[in-house]
Amino acid sequence: AQSVTQLDSHVSVSEGTPVLLRCNYSSSYSPSLFWYVQHPNKGLQLLLKYTSAATLVKGINGFEAEFKKSETSFHLTKPSAHMSDAAEYFCVVSDRRGTSYGKLTFGQGTILTVHP
Amino acid sequence: GAGVSQTPSNKVTEKGKYVELRCDPISGHTALYWYRQSLGQGPEFLIYFQGTGAADDSGLPNDRFFAVRPEGSVSTLKIQRTERGDSAVYLCASSLRDSNEQFFGPGTRLTVL
Repeated sequence: AQSVTQLDSHVSVSEGTPVLLRCNYSSSYSPSLFWYVQHPNKGLQLLLKYTSAATLVKGINGFEAEFKKSETSFHLTKPSAHMSDAAEYFCVVSDRRGTSYGKLTFGQGTILTVHP
Repeated sequence: GAGVSQTPSNKVTEKGKYVELRCDPISGHTALYWYRQSLGQGPEFLIYFQGTGAADDSGLPNDRFFAVRPEGSVSTLKIQRTERGDSAVYLCASSLRDSNEQFFGPGTRLTVL
């Protein structure tokens, strides 16, 4: 079984300040982990993914995430927020074995607001 | 290249009617997935095809929902006797056979009045 908990439903930051979106996961097997972004009226776009290589994963638009097995966390960070980062972000887990293979399990989403 | 496309982009129907939602995956992607995203929620898995066959349909909520992929490319999600609770955005995604990186379409927004 796999599940994801996004610890904040809303995060608000000022432009130019750091972003932290928190995610904890549960997985029966070695998971793949993803962050997707969804801008209003747009489709889901993959930001980055972890698949058991380096634990610090770099994605598009300056985002990165660190896989911490001991804490079952995969938090998303960015050093300096931009207005265009305002969107909803989803943490996603996928078991790479077993009956859940191929199935993505999404968190509830975190809405990021960026103030000028 | 072309991404995943879904038609229609919006569908309004009345309670009790039948609807079909179409998904065109990325060319060469053998795996195809359907998800449903209700307002304020993350997408939830419905069904997964590998080629023509449904490899996992455990997410279909009940027997009013059915999906096909007869030639291993285009897929159709069919909903019978629609209910107001079926209102949601239905998302389709595709991937290469041995990859779990899924590419999503823009979705079909279904509204049941």
